[in-house]
Amino acid sequence: NAGVTQTPKFQVLKTGQSMTLQCAQDMNHNSMYWYRQDPGMGLRLIYYSASEGTTDKGEVPNGYNVSRLNKREFSLRLESAAPSQTSVYFCASSDPGWETQYFGPGTRLLVL
Amino acid sequence: SQQGEEDPQALSIQEGENATMNCSYKTSINNLQWYRQNSGRGLVHLILIRSNEREKHSGRLRVTLDTSKKSSSLLITASRAADTASYFCATDGPGNYQLIWGAGTKLIIKP
Repeated sequence: NAGVTQTPKFQVLKTGQSMTLQCAQDMNHNSMYWYRQDPGMGLRLIYYSASEGTTDKGEVPNGYNVSRLNKREFSLRLESAAPSQTSVYFCASSDPGWETQYFGPGTRLLVL
Repeated sequence: SQQGEEDPQALSIQEGENATMNCSYKTSINNLQWYRQNSGRGLVHLILIRSNEREKHSGRLRVTLDTSKKSSSLLITASRAADTASYFCATDGPGNYQLIWGAGTKLIIKP
């Protein structure tokens, strides 16, 4: 089992460019999450999907959109990247939502 | 908004010593979890303690929970170089589908 996988691992964007971060899990979890982590800080929830077909905003959703493509996949899209979105992005999954979360290795994003 | 706040922010100890870090939170919880993050990696779950539990052990880890003080502590005994990492506490958040995270304690184990 691969657990939670994320692509890409690294990305450099120019301000205004768009991109999609991909996440997939093979643990048959219902809930999936996107977080960002800035230096010296904990995780902040961007969006989550409690189950297939549903998505909800977290603490910092502005500038992002998500798609729960199916039970396995949850993507995060930056429509018009800004330097403030420079961060490390983590995807996680769990079942049920308040129990142990399993994390992917992260995507390091630099917006110039 | 952050629920958990870890203390200290950074801790440096000699290999073999015990490391203790604390987490305080603001609202009532069902569960509290501790995670480890090695530099540049994703987070790894260490232990979950429920609100009706006071202490839990897992290998060299001991977690306590005091719901009256809204605080938890993580003790790592006989520390090793491989324990060098950041440690985060997380509590269940609104709607039971979110975890609320602290800013973490950075632990350095000196050989």
